[in-house]
Amino acid sequence: ETGVTQTPRHLVMGMTNKKSLKCEQHLGHNAMYWYKQSAKKPLELMFVYNFKEQTENNSVPSRFSPECPNSSHLFLHLHTLQPEDSALYLCASSQDLTGTGYTFGSGTRLTVV
Amino acid sequence: DQQVKQNSPSLSVQEGRISILNCDYTNSMFDYFLWYKKYPAEGPTFLISISSIKDKNEDGRFTVFLNKSAKHLSLHIVPSQPGDSAVYFCAASIYGGSQGNLIFGKGTKLSVKP
Repeated sequence: ETGVTQTPRHLVMGMTNKKSLKCEQHLGHNAMYWYKQSAKKPLELMFVYNFKEQTENNSVPSRFSPECPNSSHLFLHLHTLQPEDSALYLCASSQDLTGTGYTFGSGTRLTVV
Repeated sequence: DQQVKQNSPSLSVQEGRISILNCDYTNSMFDYFLWYKKYPAEGPTFLISISSIKDKNEDGRFTVFLNKSAKHLSLHIVPSQPGDSAVYFCAASIYGGSQGNLIFGKGTKLSVKP
């Protein structure tokens, strides 16, 4: 596979559940990102990893917990979410942190019930 | 406060005509700008970019114009095609910045009618 792959594509979870989103990139990129896209809002940066090290946490609540075991994989662990956390969660990767553009995955559509 | 603004949530254009999507920004430190295109159920895909040292960049039917004094950029699509119907996101960054994160606008939904 090439590009950035996200699984699952759709997820419905209760507020007491624990689930994880997975992102994998086969582009040899060194930086990976989690973005949240809510209705009628800009894409919101959540976390940035560079060479497996977290370089930014954009004031994200602790019920979202990222994990980056290597430069190719990124996870977002979810627990005790709220209905307002329902959104499209997008993973992206880039060669470095120069901000010259990302490759996005197709996203995970999360619904919290 | 939004640093990148796309004030038109939607735009409808006839096939063959020009589509003009607008974007404004507030942070004068931004020096690299990108446009992404997003179809439903897919992630955004890179379309075209421009550095602040230029005022125009062209790639086929797509041209991006940058007006630094007005902190404004626009994407022109000509001629517009039905396959261009998508949501277009404007993004900005500080090139070479330590974080590398892009700041996105809310997007403009373009509908090109046959």
